[in-house]
Amino acid sequence: DQQVKQNSPSLSVQEGRISILNCDYTNSMFDYFLWYKKYPAEGPTFLISISSIKDKNEDGRFTVFLNKSAKHLSLHIVPSQPGDSAVYFCAASAEPTQGPGNQFYFGTGTSLTVIP
Amino acid sequence: ETGVTQSPTHLIKTRGQQVTLRCSSQSGHNTVSWYQQALGQGPQFIFQYYREEENGRGNFPPRFSGLQFPNYSSELNVNALELDDSALYLCASSLTGAARINEKLFFGSGTQLSVL
Repeated sequence: DQQVKQNSPSLSVQEGRISILNCDYTNSMFDYFLWYKKYPAEGPTFLISISSIKDKNEDGRFTVFLNKSAKHLSLHIVPSQPGDSAVYFCAASAEPTQGPGNQFYFGTGTSLTVIP
Repeated sequence: ETGVTQSPTHLIKTRGQQVTLRCSSQSGHNTVSWYQQALGQGPQFIFQYYREEENGRGNFPPRFSGLQFPNYSSELNVNALELDDSALYLCASSLTGAARINEKLFFGSGTQLSVL
């Protein structure tokens, strides 16, 4: 049962334009969300996070938007650069039932290609 | 500050064998999580250890087991390997503290396991 979904396996964008990556979730208990970027042969690296008390969080070229009623979040990259070409994963967590740590559920990823 | 390191990077085993994967957490982190990433999929949560105790488990059978040591390094053991266990195994460390919504996972580069 996939609780976090990224329905677009791939996305191509021209350099300098905006990239919008989407993520949907089904578990209404999720309250903390992260985006990760993954290059081949490397582990995922953290990009940006958002908690359910906010609907927007910005960090430089990256902005994450959260729509709780639609159970949807999106990552905007402006302007897109060729070095942004990677696979992007969204991840979600709910208040844990066991112990203090977060247990994150990941989507299947979107492969972004930024064309020079 | 050292990052998360995993060993080995690649491993080939045959069906029915046992395997141990190792992870060294980032300095100062007290939690380690293990994820399985099959080809074309997102990381799937296997289990998490916090201060040497199992802190949560995903939908994986008991032949997947783990340990966390006092220095916060960790092992993932898989018994009776099956062909479907072929995947990238990712270790992630984090600092679990008072503010759950500040916790971020820091991943190693993974161990690519092939079961023949």
